Amino acid sequence: GNSVTQMEGPVTLSEEAFLTINCTYTATGYPSLFWYVQYPGEGLQLLLKATKADDKGSNKGFEATYRKETTSFHLEKGSVQVSDSAVYFCAGILTGGGNKLTFGTGTQLKVEL
Amino acid sequence: NAGVTQTPKFQVLKTGQSMTLQCAQDMNHEYMSWYRQDPGMGLRLIHYSVGAGITDQGEVPNGYNVSRSTTEDFPLRLLSAAPSQTSVYFCASSYRGDEQFFGPGTRLTVL
Repeated sequence: GNSVTQMEGPVTLSEEAFLTINCTYTATGYPSLFWYVQYPGEGLQLLLKATKADDKGSNKGFEATYRKETTSFHLEKGSVQVSDSAVYFCAGILTGGGNKLTFGTGTQLKVEL
Repeated sequence: NAGVTQTPKFQVLKTGQSMTLQCAQDMNHEYMSWYRQDPGMGLRLIHYSVGAGITDQGEVPNGYNVSRSTTEDFPLRLLSAAPSQTSVYFCASSYRGDEQFFGPGTRLTVL
């Protein structure tokens, strides 16, 4: 069935390190894809999105490219900061329902000085 | 704009009790949804609505009821709470079914 799979955490990095969090999806058609971020004790916030193949979403130094050939939407950032410590969720609208988001399990990122 | 608001922030129930989790949004969004967040499982859709008077089931609807009498409000009712419903509950809304805006969550413990 339709699903979103992302790498398990926790991921621990030093400040200024390069970040990659892998995300792949299974779906028919052309889903819209999202990355959400959840800071401790808060709700989820949209980080970036892409709605068609080869689109690149970007925000706050984070980027992700919608790759249809590999059904992937990996999140990257060139230089992480301590303030990036949070849980990151990959998600997609995988079926026709306009607001039926399917989430990955989340990846906790901890950035240390 | 307050965005999406949820009350209460925390709640402890005993098995068998009922309660309603409140959700409201002031962005005139047509789409609203309820999710539960459990460790290692991400967020799972409970119920959703595409407009006032219209609701439908998500992935894990059992034990929960919803109604949508106004555009602004989308309450979630637990009919007879069970320990398996211990979770963090998030309400979300969106304008076109695209970007969803989430509330701060309700942490529910069922003893």
